[in-house]
Formats: sequence, C-alpha cells, structure tokens
Amino acid sequence: AQRVTQPEKLLSVFKGAPVELKCNYSYSGSPELFWYVQYSRQRLQLLLRHISRESIKGFTADLNKGETSFHLKKPFAQEEDSAMYYCALSGYNQGGKLIFGQGTELSVKP
Amino acid sequence: DVKVTQSSRYLVKRTGEKVFLECVQDMDHENMFWYRQDPGLGLRLIYFSYDVKMKEKGDIPEGYSVSREKKERFSLILESASTNQTSMYLCASSLTGDHTYEQYFGPGTRLTVT
Repeated sequence: AQRVTQPEKLLSVFKGAPVELKCNYSYSGSPELFWYVQYSRQRLQLLLRHISRESIKGFTADLNKGETSFHLKKPFAQEEDSAMYYCALSGYNQGGKLIFGQGTELSVKP
Repeated sequence: DVKVTQSSRYLVKRTGEKVFLECVQDMDHENMFWYRQDPGLGLRLIYFSYDVKMKEKGDIPEGYSVSREKKERFSLILESASTNQTSMYLCASSLTGDHTYEQYFGPGTRLTVT
C-alpha cells in the first residue's frame, strides 16, 4: 500500500542548529516526493520536490530509494523556519493525487 | 499566480445542520481536491474531481458529498453535520498533465460543529 510516514510529531531545535525532518514512504513504482510547508496563519505551499534537486530557503532533500526515505535537511535552522512540514508522495498511477504524511511541527527556539 | 479561495475562514454549525463549503480557483485547473487536516493525522483526502461533474471518493468520504457544476468551483457538503466533523478543511487544485503534481491550496475553513 502507498503510504508516507513522518515519525516525529514535533521537532524542537535551537537557532543555528542542524535540522532533519524524517520522511519514509512505501510505494510500488517510481514515486515523486515533495515537501510542503505551512507557516503560522498561512496556506499550505510547496517547499520543494525531489525531481528539481534544488535548495529552497536553505533546505534540501535527497530521495534514497534503497532506504525509501526523503528526509528534509537544513544545516543551520532559523526562527522563521518554525512551521508545520508535510512530506507527500505521488506518481503516474495516482491520477494527480498526493498522499500526505502526518506532518512534523518544527519549532526553532532563539 | 494561482489563487484558490474558500468561502469562509471560520464556521460554527450545529449538529444535524447541512453545511456547504465552497472553493473557487482562478487558474483553469482541471483537478480539485478537498482534504481535512487534523493534528497527528496529516491531510486526508475526502473527495476529488478531475473535471466538471466528475468526482471520485478519497480516503474518508463518509458523511460528505461534493458538487462540481463549473470548472472553477468545487463544493463540499456535509449532509448532516456531526461533532466528529469538526476540523480544518482545505481545498486544492492542480493542472492535469502537469507532471510536477503540484497542488495549490486555499487558506482553509475551520469548521466547528457543536
């Protein structure tokens, strides 16, 4: 079954510390993986997608097919990174649908 | 710039009432989605529509129905609201054939059923 798992409900770090938000998936086929972010009082928006292999706001994520993971990383967390982060999965047999993980709340303390 | 709007930010209804949540997108997207967002459960798909008058059930359709009479508008209907439908409801849209699969979200409607 297709599934996305984010094992941490809450991740709390200090400003300047490295951060890694974990995402594991289960999918039969070639998945497309995404990270979406929701800042306080803002709408959910796309942060990055694995196919672009880009860094957005200092965040990167590498698709590891062997470990079926797509962890989100940033070397130095900033207070403005505090938000809710969702990992999501799609693919050709999903008809445009996304499967979301449970979400991880990132809190960056000063 | 894609704009997805939802009719209400906050809504309070009584148990048993019929509730309508409206969503409008202005980018001519074929696909539209309704999710509910609950802490610890993430986003769960209620219904989606890939064309006018077309709809498919998502993961949690029970107690809900939808209507898509026009391409830009997708309505979620709670036939008889219950307290376990208290939640944040998010609407989204995307383009068919867009292999980025990016969905654009509305601001959400926080529904409280008392």
